[in-house]
Order: sequence, then C-alpha cells, then structure tokens
Amino acid sequence: EAGVTQSPTHLIKTRGQQVTLRCSPISGHTSVYWYQQALGLGLQFLLWYDEGEERNRGNFPPRFSGRQFPNYSSELNVNALELEDSALYLCASNNPRGTVRDIQYFGAGTRLSVL
Amino acid sequence: KNQVEQSPQSLIILEGKNCTLQCNYTVSPFSNLRWYKQDTGRGPVSLTIMTFSENTKSNGRYTATLDADTKQSSLHITASQLSDSASYICVVASGGGADGLTFGKGTHLIIQP
Repeated sequence: EAGVTQSPTHLIKTRGQQVTLRCSPISGHTSVYWYQQALGLGLQFLLWYDEGEERNRGNFPPRFSGRQFPNYSSELNVNALELEDSALYLCASNNPRGTVRDIQYFGAGTRLSVL
Repeated sequence: KNQVEQSPQSLIILEGKNCTLQCNYTVSPFSNLRWYKQDTGRGPVSLTIMTFSENTKSNGRYTATLDADTKQSSLHITASQLSDSASYICVVASGGGADGLTFGKGTHLIIQP
C-alpha cells in the first residue's frame, strides 16, 4: 500500500514568488493535514481538509491557502513568499471516521527554501 | 497556551545503551499523547499513543510512560541501535480532532557505534 506522497521533494524560490505543494493521501483516507516545520521549531498546524472542505486552519496569514480535490489529494499554496517561509512542509492523512482515526500518517515532506 | 516541552534537546549515546527522553506538557483538555520518530529527511512515524487511563505502552524496544497527574511522559529506548538515530517528537492531542495537536520541538538522538 502506498503511503502519503508529496511533491516536489525540494524547492527553491525567491521572495515574493508563489509556490504550490502537492500531497496524495493514503488510499481510503479522506482527511489531509498540512504542517510547517521550521528549523528548530516544532510542527505548526497549517490546514485541515476533509471531504473536500477546509475544516480548520492554524495561526497563519491568508497567503497560506489550499484545497482538496474530489480524489482527496490536496494542494498547499503560498503567495508572496517571505524568507521565514523556508521550512519543511509536511502533509499527513488519516481516516477520521476509521477505527484508528487518531493516527496520522505523514509524507516525507517538501523542503522549501526562500532566498 | 498549550505547550509541550521536551528534554534533552539532543542526546548522544553509544550503541547498545539505554536512554530516556522526557516530555512535559500543559495541554487542556487532554485527549491523548503520542510519540513520533522522525528520521532525517522523512516524515514522522507514530511509535505509541496513550490515553488518560494508560500509564505505559510498549512498541518493541520503545516503552512510553504517562503520568497524567504530573503531566509528564517519557520514552525509554532499550538496547539502542544505529537505526534509532532520529528526532523523537512528543505530541499531545486536545479534543478529538487531529487539528488539535500540540507538538514538542523534539529530542535529536544520535547513536554512535
């Protein structure tokens, strides 16, 4: 069974640019979560999508946005990139209605560097 | 404000030795506590998950303990192996949704041969 896949693995952008990160959840999982892991910091919750709807978002500015497609894959968009957006962006999925609904399965992440 | 503090920040031990990682939290309400292992360049992988009523749980050479009264948890690694080199992240869930998670910054463990 394929795990959570993210693309691209690495990305280099300059300040002010826009970026789109992609995530495919485990088959059967309807929820996708996005996290930011900056150097030296813990994972910070960004967004939660379930069944195509945004269910909750963390304390991030509106230039962080995303969407979930009918096949449950998801995109994270970041506009007007700033230097402090440099981080590892992790996607996780689970089935919130399953028997192990609390367990999240993480992808390998996308390493974003903003110059 | 919900917080999860982990110690030590980093740890170096010799292969075959045991070690214990600490996690203190101030999260309310409390739903469960998880330990994740994150290898360099990979996403976190769940090791254990404990609810309020559980005070110990094992996963192979990993044993997690939880004291809900003092709001402390520990992760004990027995007979360490080189593959145990990773960051270990303590995560406390508040409420039922996976969006209500508070992550610690992790303990970076290095196992030396």
